[in-house]
Formats: sequence, C-alpha cells, structure tokens
Amino acid sequence: QKEVEQNSGPLSVPEGAIASLNCTYSDRGSQSFFWYRQYSGKSPELIMSIYSNGDKEDGRFTAQLNKASQYVSLLIRDSQPSDSATYLCAVTLSGGYQKVTFGIGTKLQVIP
Amino acid sequence: DGGITQSPKYLFRKEGQNVTLSCEQNLNHDAMYWYRQDPGQGLRLIYYSQIVNDFQKGDIAEGYSVSREKKESFPLTVTSAQKNPTAFYLCASQDAGAGANVLTFGAGSRLTVL
Repeated sequence: QKEVEQNSGPLSVPEGAIASLNCTYSDRGSQSFFWYRQYSGKSPELIMSIYSNGDKEDGRFTAQLNKASQYVSLLIRDSQPSDSATYLCAVTLSGGYQKVTFGIGTKLQVIP
Repeated sequence: DGGITQSPKYLFRKEGQNVTLSCEQNLNHDAMYWYRQDPGQGLRLIYYSQIVNDFQKGDIAEGYSVSREKKESFPLTVTSAQKNPTAFYLCASQDAGAGANVLTFGAGSRLTVL
C-alpha cells in the first residue's frame, strides 16, 4: 500500500464548476497535510496546508481533512483554465523528522 | 527576496560522469531536501538534512551523494553509479516553525544523460 494515494487523472471539469481532488494516506499518525500545485515543467507551489480535522478555506480553495477516514481533499470553486495543473497531495508522516511524502499527483484540466 | 536558488537549470551529462547540482537558500531554514521527479510520477525523496553536518538517506539514495557544510547550501552529486539519472531534480527547504512543516521549492534542475 502506498503511503499517499491519489488518482492520477486527468480530471476534466468545465470552467466555473467545482473541482474535487482526493487523497488518502496510510499512516494513521500523520500530522500535517498539504496541497501543492505544479504547472508543467515548473516546481510545486503550496496551495493549502491543514493540520486538524474539518475544513479550511482560502479564497476559491477549500481543504478538508478527516483523520478517522485518513482522507484529505481539495475543492476548487469557480474553476478557471489557469487552474489546469497537477495537484500534489503531501503528508508529514509520524516518526522521523517532519519528512514530507508526496502522492503521484492528480492532473486537472479545466475546459473553457 | 528570500528563496531557494537551484543551478544549473538544465544539465547534460555523458554516461560515466559525476555531476553536482547546486541548491542555496536564504530563508534561514534548518531542514533541506532533494527530490527526484520522473514523468507521470510524484516526488521521490533522495536525501534530507535537518541540520548542518548531518543528512539522512531518503527512499532512493543509491547513486547519489550530498553534503551539508553550511546551513544555506545542500549540493547533490549524481554519481556514475546512478543507472537512470535523467529526471527533474527539486531542492526544498522546510519551515518547521510552530510545527508548520511547509516545504518551499527551488525552480528545479533538469538533468539529461546523453
């Protein structure tokens, strides 16, 4: 079982719709959870971080964490073509010094 | 401006050669990381360093070496023992303040073996 799992996609949504990206993790003791956006050929940039159960909103982005289900998601409201990118889920596993483990990433395509 | 500088951006290597990728940060972060990314795959951890003069192997350390002589610098050497080194290499530093654990990435170095 992979430590951090994501569907590689592509996930296609029409412009203006809500994009829903999902991630599961295997280490029940995981402490910190991140969503990074990566445009083709570029380095990842942090979109959201979440550390406790529930929802965290920042503009059009909402991160949701459910530690009991070992599940973290990212919702993008009013999706724009500029949101087309690969979204990487990352988790700080328990044990070790804050080592961050990444999922394979989900490719999002927003169709104009 | 604070940030992470990776160089070179593009690098070509002949088989059997060692190459060194540079990573410098001025964010005053203690921890630094090297990841490798292949097409269609996520980021895989090569090495990480928590403090100066200390570093730990990640999941795919074979064929790579690092040093951490200064807080600001964490160079990665890709040795001839790395059988498939063509990849996108990403250096990151970590803000561990207040348990944030956020990674900040450099722009990356793309290595191609000829």
